[in-house]
Amino acid sequence: GQQVMQIPQYQHVQEGEDFTTYCNSSTTLSNIQWYKQRPGGHPVFLIQLVKSGEVKKQKRLTFQFGEAKKNSSLHITATQTTDVGTYFCAGRKLIWGLGTSLAVNP
Amino acid sequence: DVKVTQSSRYLVKRTGEKVFLECVQDMDHENMFWYRQDPGLGLRLIYFSYDVKMKEKGDIPEGYSVSREKKERFSLILESASTNQTSMYLCASSFGTVESGEQYFGPGTRLTVT
Repeated sequence: GQQVMQIPQYQHVQEGEDFTTYCNSSTTLSNIQWYKQRPGGHPVFLIQLVKSGEVKKQKRLTFQFGEAKKNSSLHITATQTTDVGTYFCAGRKLIWGLGTSLAVNP
Repeated sequence: DVKVTQSSRYLVKRTGEKVFLECVQDMDHENMFWYRQDPGLGLRLIYFSYDVKMKEKGDIPEGYSVSREKKERFSLILESASTNQTSMYLCASSFGTVESGEQYFGPGTRLTVT
């Protein structure tokens, strides 16, 4: 069946280090969405990517959609403690990746 | 600001009970969703609705039913609660197409079935 694989499952960084999470689909995606869930909170929408090769930035966050529209990445530059949480991608037919949990040491 | 509210933050029910989880959104969104979230399993879609009285099964509909009699309200029903339905239940709503709309989530209901 359709799957959206997300790696890594966990990432522990020192504040100021960069962080990247990857999302890979077994099928071509029409679009991909990224969400962030803070500990104890609910998922909050970050962005949607639609076009092949698309790159979007939100301050320190950079989102990419692969040329084949089967993979995507979220990169955070110079992490801060406010970046702590779990980052999810969601693709075709509302299938979600399992998320990458980010911990940041101050 | 979009607001999605869920009837309870915490709920404890006994095995075999009928359980109703209510979700209300105030932004006139066409689409509403019910997910459950379990550690290590991410978010799994139970049911969604793209219009009043319309519903579609998600990935794990077994043991659940839904009702959408009004646009703003989407109810999840556990006909006979079982312990394996202990979970965090998240409701969401969106506008536009089901697959491309930004989803707004409620705070969640943590259901424990004993």
